[in-house]
Amino acid sequence: DAGVTQSPTHLIKTRGQQVTLRCSPKSGHDTVSWYQQALGQGPQFIFQYYEEEERQRGNFPDRFSGHQFPNYSSELNVNALLLGDSALYLCASSLGVASSYNSPLHFGNGTRLTVT
Amino acid sequence: AQKVTQAQTEISVVEKEDVTLDCVYETRDTTYYLFWYKQPPSGELVFLIRRNSFDEQNEISGRYSWNFQKSTSSFNFTITASQVVDSAVYFCALSEAYSGGGADGLTFGKGTHLIIQP
Repeated sequence: DAGVTQSPTHLIKTRGQQVTLRCSPKSGHDTVSWYQQALGQGPQFIFQYYEEEERQRGNFPDRFSGHQFPNYSSELNVNALLLGDSALYLCASSLGVASSYNSPLHFGNGTRLTVT
Repeated sequence: AQKVTQAQTEISVVEKEDVTLDCVYETRDTTYYLFWYKQPPSGELVFLIRRNSFDEQNEISGRYSWNFQKSTSSFNFTITASQVVDSAVYFCALSEAYSGGGADGLTFGKGTHLIIQP
């Protein structure tokens, strides 16, 4: 039973560039959430996708956008990268839109993004 | 606004000692959910427990136990007879229920780095 998979594992970008991170949810899950974890901090909620629509969003600028595909996989896009965007980006999947409670989040190993 | 505070940045104990990780939360909602996650060096967050605001019963799972006290807004986590494999960063998290009846994204604390020395 495949868990949550994320790609790439590591990524180095330059300020001003754009980046796309990818996530495949755990088998049987239909909801994907993205979190940003800066070094030494707890993860921060970016947004959640269900039925190919953004359902909830945290306090992140519009430079952060996403997409969910019919097979439930998801992408996180960040435009005009800033040095402060350097972090571990975690994808989590679950079942159903009311997912934080009804179905605990299953996290991937994350993508480590470094912006220089 | 919701907030989770884990005041202990790092705890170091010798194997077989008991250790308690503290978690204090703030929320205006009467319906909310509390979680603990473990993050080993690999980076993946591993779900340990969830508790809703209406269930104040303490829970024990093997060497792990959780003490939920609404009166002090705390949800503490105790590891009994700690082992080296317990070494990790532990996060407490909170989720509020929005009006649609579902649950919002998780708000995490900053985590407690637990070091179990052999």
